[in-house]
Order: sequence, then C-alpha cells, then structure tokens
Amino acid sequence: GAVVSQHPSWVICKSGTSVKIECRSLDFQATTMFWYRQFPKQSLMLMATSNEGSKATYEQGVEKDKFLINHASLTLSTLTVTSAHPEDSSFYICSARGLTSEWEQFFGPGTRLTVL
Amino acid sequence: DQQVKQNSPSLSVQEGRISILNCDYTNSMFDYFLWYKKYPAEGPTFLISISSIKDKNEDGRFTVFLNKSAKHLSLHIVPSQPGDSAVYFCAASATMTTDSWGKLQFGAGTQVVVTP
Repeated sequence: GAVVSQHPSWVICKSGTSVKIECRSLDFQATTMFWYRQFPKQSLMLMATSNEGSKATYEQGVEKDKFLINHASLTLSTLTVTSAHPEDSSFYICSARGLTSEWEQFFGPGTRLTVL
Repeated sequence: DQQVKQNSPSLSVQEGRISILNCDYTNSMFDYFLWYKKYPAEGPTFLISISSIKDKNEDGRFTVFLNKSAKHLSLHIVPSQPGDSAVYFCAASATMTTDSWGKLQFGAGTQVVVTP
C-alpha cells in the first residue's frame, strides 16, 4: 500500500515554456502533499505544502507565482513551473501524507526537469 | 541554514559488516526523526523512525539510536548487504510546533556502497 506516482518521470522543455507535474496517491487519500526539489548530491529541499482544497503554503525563498501548486482532490496535486528557465532544471519529488499516518510521508519517484 | 546535517557524504563497507550512518541536528524543537533510503532517479523510501521519547528503535537489520543531549542520531545496518547500496537521508520533524507540523527537514544524504 501507500503508493505515490508522479507524471511525467522526465521532461525536457524550452526556456520560457510552462511544465506541469502531477502527483497522485494511488491507494490512499492524501490530505497533505509536499513538493520537494533536489539538486545533484544535495538534500531534498521542501518547496511547499499543499492541503486539499486550500492554498499551498510556500517555504521562504520559493516564488509562488513561478511554482503554482494545485491540490484539487485527495488523490491529486499538481506543480506547474511557469516560464521555466535553465536554473529551474532539477529533480522534483512529491510526497503524500494520508489520513491515518500522522508523520510518515510516502514519496513519489520524482520528475527530472531539464530546461534548455 | 541546514538544521539537519549528515557530514559524511559517502561510506564504503564490506558485505556482512556493520554500516554506521550519522546525523546531527541543531533545532531543539525536533522530536521525531526518520531515515529514508533512496536509489537514483527514485523517490525516498521510509526505513525506520524514532520519537524523542526513545533512545533506540530496532527493525530487523536496522537500528536507530538517538542521543538528545548531543542532538545526534545514528543508523546501524547489520549485517550490510549489497542491496543496501543507496543514498540514506536523515530527516527530522518538530511535531509540537504549529507552523512546522508534518514538515520534514532533510540532511544532505550519505551514499553507502556495500562491497562483496
């Protein structure tokens, strides 16, 4: 149980375009989803926390107008990187926390974004 | 600033021997700690956790030790197996603070290589 999927697993786009990444909890309802970013050989950095039906809470230094997060249902959250630039190239990982698990987060496989 | 630190970026150990991974933290509000294992191009998978009311938690080959006074925890893997080769992340959460509730702070990770 507790499977989280992400789509796409990798994407290459041109500078200036927008990219949408989906995060789905497949076998449980996720009241809270988290979006992380990881640079090579570095830690996972929390970008934002999203709760179903409400606005996302962004960490300090994360541009909310650039990284749009929508958590429209208990099984789906989306991250849209708007007007992507090469410095946005990174590994984006989502995690989900269910109704019964207070502290444990289940992670998706990640999405590799490359902006040319 | 990095509130969770894993100062050893890599660790090489022989199959059958013990792997010891270390993690230090600076935030005294952290009271729940987790270890995750991550393979390349995949999301982290949960290994083991410990609450600050305990100083040890064991699950099969994995044992986590917590020294609150030193703000230090360690993960012991014994015996180490080739399949344990991965990046291990230490994570911490401040469960009693409203604005940090449920959020995880990650260390930079330690790459473990288990040689035959």
